[in-house]
Amino acid sequence: NAGVMQNPRHLVRRRGQEARLRCSPMKGHSHVYWYRQLPEEGLKFMVYLQKENIIDESGMPKERFSAEFPKEGPSILRIQQVVRGDSAAYFCASSPIGGRFEQYFGPGTRLTVT
Amino acid sequence: RKEVEQDPGPFNVPEGATVAFNCTYSNSASQSFFWYRQDCRKEPKLLMSVYSSGNEDGRFTAQLNRASQYISLLIRDSKLSDSATYLCAVSQAGNQFYFGTGTSLTVIP
Repeated sequence: NAGVMQNPRHLVRRRGQEARLRCSPMKGHSHVYWYRQLPEEGLKFMVYLQKENIIDESGMPKERFSAEFPKEGPSILRIQQVVRGDSAAYFCASSPIGGRFEQYFGPGTRLTVT
Repeated sequence: RKEVEQDPGPFNVPEGATVAFNCTYSNSASQSFFWYRQDCRKEPKLLMSVYSSGNEDGRFTAQLNRASQYISLLIRDSKLSDSATYLCAVSQAGNQFYFGTGTSLTVIP
């Protein structure tokens, strides 16, 4: 049973470019969460999605960031016009039922903005 | 006030020692509680869920104190491989998890 998959594992973008991060949840999981982690800091919640629905995006910056989880295919976190402050590790987690049940994390995507 | 707070440490303990971490949460409506382990530059891995009655998994014991709004993790007979950052996570019904910033543990030979 494959775990949560994320790609790419490392992504380098120049300021102003777009970054697309992908997440495939564990088999049987239909809930996806995205987190950002800066060096020496904790995990910051960004967004919680179910298939074709954004359930909670209260942690997402209002501009430049968007997320989707289509009926088919992986969840995508999109960052437009990246800035140096976007450099961080972005983790995706999935759970079989939202909220109360354990979340399992993917290996993360390390975004570096130059 | 932060949703979840942890002592960042670091905790440096000798092999074989017993070490305990606490994590306090601010929302009394919190329903689910977890401990995760995160190694350097890796993803968090679920260590254990925390149930009202407390639970034990080998050398690890987790407890919940709803009255004082904290959860604890006890590690007995520490191993070198236990060195990591330990994150607590708390959630209310149906929504996001709140993670603490983590407690760093180093087990010394």
